[in-house]
Amino acid sequence: KNEVEQSPQNLTAQEGEFITINCSYSVGISALHWLQQHPGGGIVSLFMLSSGKKKHGRLIATINIQEKHSSLHITASHPRDSAVYICAVPNTGNQFYFGTGTSLTVIP
Amino acid sequence: ETGVTQTPRHLVMGMTNKKSLKCEQHLGHNAMYWYKQSAKKPLELMFVYSLEERVENNSVPSRFSPECPNSSHLFLHLHTLQPEDSALYLCASSQDRGTTYGYTFGSGTRLTVV
Repeated sequence: KNEVEQSPQNLTAQEGEFITINCSYSVGISALHWLQQHPGGGIVSLFMLSSGKKKHGRLIATINIQEKHSSLHITASHPRDSAVYICAVPNTGNQFYFGTGTSLTVIP
Repeated sequence: ETGVTQTPRHLVMGMTNKKSLKCEQHLGHNAMYWYKQSAKKPLELMFVYSLEERVENNSVPSRFSPECPNSSHLFLHLHTLQPEDSALYLCASSQDRGTTYGYTFGSGTRLTVV
């Protein structure tokens, strides 16, 4: 069992659609990270959040600490948003638990 | 470009070959990491270096040998690999060891063992 579960595993959307990716975790955390992995392999950090909501451009991340759940939303999706989105939470060993990722494809 | 550079981007090697992966960062970070990413699996931590000292080795087979000659460079030496070692190998760095600051990742080396 993975400490971090993401859904869906794969997602295909039409350009312009509103997209939601979910992350549930089973451990107590101080902060949760959303990462984006481009088709070439590189990973970039999108958000680190410990409560409430953060917004950056068309991306919005929310977290509910009590329910141990976070969502990543993309408004007005675009083909360049096609990537794998990974959720990560710290563990007691001072490292990260990573989700398996959600593969998003946005079709023009 | 994230500030963490990995070379080569792609590598095909036979099971009897010896090769090395290189990672370089000039972000002034004190901790560096090697991760393995296989299809449909979460990122797997392999090695952690903090201030050039290896602080973690997550039960990685001895055919993978890390080296950290200074705080800016990290190598992963490979020898007598198996086909199941084919994966994306990612290097990351952070200001200090731990999760407080998040990680900066390189673009990875796509390794194929034939």
